[in-house]
This record gives sequence, structure tokens and C-alpha cells, in this order.
Amino acid sequence: NAGVTQTPKFRILKIGQSMTLQCTQDMNHNYMYWYRQDPGMGLKLIYYSVGAGITDKGEVPNGYNVSRSTTEDFPLRLELAAPSQTSVYFCASRRDRASNEQFFGPGTRLTVL
Amino acid sequence: EDKVVQSPLSLVVHEGDTVTLNCSYEVTNFRSLLWYKQEKKAPTFLFMLTSSGIEKKSGRLSSILDKKELFSILNITATQTGDSAIYLCAVSTTGANSKLTFGKGITLSVRP
Repeated sequence: NAGVTQTPKFRILKIGQSMTLQCTQDMNHNYMYWYRQDPGMGLKLIYYSVGAGITDKGEVPNGYNVSRSTTEDFPLRLELAAPSQTSVYFCASRRDRASNEQFFGPGTRLTVL
Repeated sequence: EDKVVQSPLSLVVHEGDTVTLNCSYEVTNFRSLLWYKQEKKAPTFLFMLTSSGIEKKSGRLSSILDKKELFSILNITATQTGDSAIYLCAVSTTGANSKLTFGKGITLSVRP
């Protein structure tokens, strides 16, 4: 099992550009999450999904969109990139409602200039 | 609003020292508390605590939860340079839409 994979590893965007951060898990987990991590700030939840076709906002959803058409994939879309979105983005998955542990992907470092 | 507070925010020790990392929380519908270690990449799972007073141990690391006083500690004995990392505390809640709320993390630096 590859676990949780994310692409790309690094990306530099110009203000106003758009991009999609990819996240895939091969563990057949129902729950998936997107976090952003800024220095000294821990992880902030952007969006999450409890299953295919179901998504919900987290703590900091503004400027982002998600979709969950399959169990495996949970892409995060930035439509109009802003410098405030410069961060490290982590995708995570969790097996189901009964489990607690979240498994994290390796992260995507995004810089918006 | 759910809140997780970690202290201290950073710590510098020498190899062989013992450290105690603190995590306090205020959440509704508490389910469990998790500790993660992060070394320049994705967080990796250390412990999950659900019951008060029961110590979890893994080698030189141990952790305990106090549900009455709403806090947890993570102890690391005989620290090594490889323990240098950010230690994240997170709390999960009950319910179908259960999420993790993270603290800001504690940056531990272990000097040779």
C-alpha cells in the first residue's frame, strides 16, 4: 500500500492563478481531510469528506473548493491564488467513524507570489 | 469553539535530558487525544489516549491523559538528537462528522 499520496510536492503560483492539489489514498478509507500548516500554527482544517459525494467545510475553507467523486481521490482546488494561501498542505485519511487515527500524506509546499 | 493549547511552544534541551510536553483542551463531546511527531514532513502517529490515568508507553516516550483536568502530557526520557521535531497534540470528538482539532505544536530541539 502506498498510503496517502499527494502531488505535486512543490509549486509556485502567481497571484490569481488556479491549481488543483491532488490527494489519493489506497486504504479504502471513508474519511479524508485537507489541512494547511503555517509556521508555528499547527494544522488548520480546510475541508473534509466522510465519504464519496459528501464534503463539508472545516475551519478555514475560504478560497478553496473540494470534490469527492470516488473513495480514493480528494482534490483541493484553489481558484484565485492569493499570497495568504502560501502554506504547506497536508491531506489525511481515516478508516471510518469508529477509528481515530488519521494517516497523513507527505504534503505539498505552495508559494504564491 | 474547540480549543487545544500546547506548552511550551518551543524547547531546547541537551541529549540525555528528560522533557515533558503539555497539552490542554476545551472541546465538546471529547472522544480521544492524539499525539503526533513531525520531522520536516508529514506528522506520524505516536499515541492515542481515551481513558484517564492509563499511561501509554513506546520506548522512551510515554503519555497520559487526565480527563477531569482536561490535559495530557508527553514525556521523553534520555532524549536523543533524533527526537528533535514538532510534537502535535490533537483532540477528536464524537459524532459522524468527527474531526481533529490541533494545537500549535511544540518545537523540541535536542542538542548533542
